[in-house]
Amino acid sequence: QDYLVESGGGVVQPGRSLRLSCAASGFTFSHYAMHWVRQAPGKGLEWVALMSFDGRNIYYADSVKGRFTISRDNSQNTVHLQMNSLRTEDTALYYCARDVGDGYNVLYLDYWGQGTLVTVSS
Amino acid sequence: EIVMTQSPATLALSPGERATLSCRASQSVRSNLAWYQQKPGQAPRVLIYDASTRATGIPARFSGSGSGTEFTLTISRLQFEDFAVYYCQQYIHWPPITFGQGTRLEIK
Repeated sequence: QDYLVESGGGVVQPGRSLRLSCAASGFTFSHYAMHWVRQAPGKGLEWVALMSFDGRNIYYADSVKGRFTISRDNSQNTVHLQMNSLRTEDTALYYCARDVGDGYNVLYLDYWGQGTLVTVSS
Repeated sequence: EIVMTQSPATLALSPGERATLSCRASQSVRSNLAWYQQKPGQAPRVLIYDASTRATGIPARFSGSGSGTEFTLTISRLQFEDFAVYYCQQYIHWPPITFGQGTRLEIK
């Protein structure tokens, strides 16, 4: 069974930082691209960031570009999302998800974690 | 950026009925489209990829069709566990990866 488990969410004030982590197990993590996707309360899915299997291809949504940084450690089977200069509109449940592709060819997301909640509020 | 538009926003049907959900892309995505199901309190799960291929373990009552800009997810005979929110997603023109806004399938 393939698993993704997110952690690191919490309540943070606007302008502060937070680092999310996603631990993978049950599959060869280093073969797959990984995404972060978020969902604001009661809203739909919004793609946030993508990193290729080897960490060389990185893409961000315009809404987070320059503030968020995705990284991965293939030796630890983890992917991270460093979130700086947080805004109230970043409040959401953040999911990590595995891409069937390698990040040079982006495909669909076949495994998702259960998400970690980030609340940005003063 | 490709905009994905789903309709209707909400669909109210009874168990046993047939559900037809639509997804339209602002430009052609060929067959590079996936459908996801999300139940309350759960993560999304992929149902269909490449517009018409069922993902592993997905029941045969779920089917996808279409190509280019018009796509359909059909659930042939609704079961209680099918009432959820459904999203489409394109994966040919990226970044960004884009999702539709979702269709809520609710019990009538």
